[in-house]
Amino acid sequence: DAGITQSPRHKVTETGTPVTLRCHQTENHRYMYWYRQDPGHGLRLIHYSYGVKDTDKGEVSDGYSVSRSKTEDFLLTLESATSSQTSVYFCAISPGLAGVEWQFFGPGTRLTVL
Amino acid sequence: TQLLEQSPQFLSIQEGENLTVYCNSSSVFSSLQWYRQEPGEGPVLLVTVVTGGEVKKLKRLTFQFGDARKDSSLHITAAQPGDTGLYLCAGGEYGNKLVFGAGTILRVKS
Repeated sequence: DAGITQSPRHKVTETGTPVTLRCHQTENHRYMYWYRQDPGHGLRLIHYSYGVKDTDKGEVSDGYSVSRSKTEDFLLTLESATSSQTSVYFCAISPGLAGVEWQFFGPGTRLTVL
Repeated sequence: TQLLEQSPQFLSIQEGENLTVYCNSSSVFSSLQWYRQEPGEGPVLLVTVVTGGEVKKLKRLTFQFGDARKDSSLHITAAQPGDTGLYLCAGGEYGNKLVFGAGTILRVKS
């Protein structure tokens, strides 16, 4: 399996507090992604990165920011958590080679905002 | 963002039955992928199809990419309880991104 971990795996926080989720990979893949998964919506892309310090917005980026200072780490930050951000968050990685679009997913982080 | 519609949303069948899950779009995708996800875990890639009309078989699972590269199907023969899970299709977009369907929850009863 691809070497990808997420931390924490579970977190409960209160509305208005900042939260940072971490994704760590050992595969040296170029691309990293953050998704959220909610019932009936499948996986929706929040932000993604195509290299160190190179990031772009996804479909549901409002209220989220990201940073990638090293190839292996991709951080997702909720500056001021809201109840609508209660979800399961998945990180994914991809080599980004021509014709290779599949992604490997981490185990997920379950975030509850009270 | 392109959209992918999956059907059915939920499927409950008996062990040994056959089933087909569909993934449709009005947009053309560079590739179409199928993932399977179990509770508490991340999605795991089952297959990638790239060429229009392509058919791939993985044991009892058969995947097909439509001729126009807008749709795909997943057929499972003689389903087993171990096939239970959430099946997700995903289309490849420009910029090495994927757009996912909402998923099909499959439950196979023994």
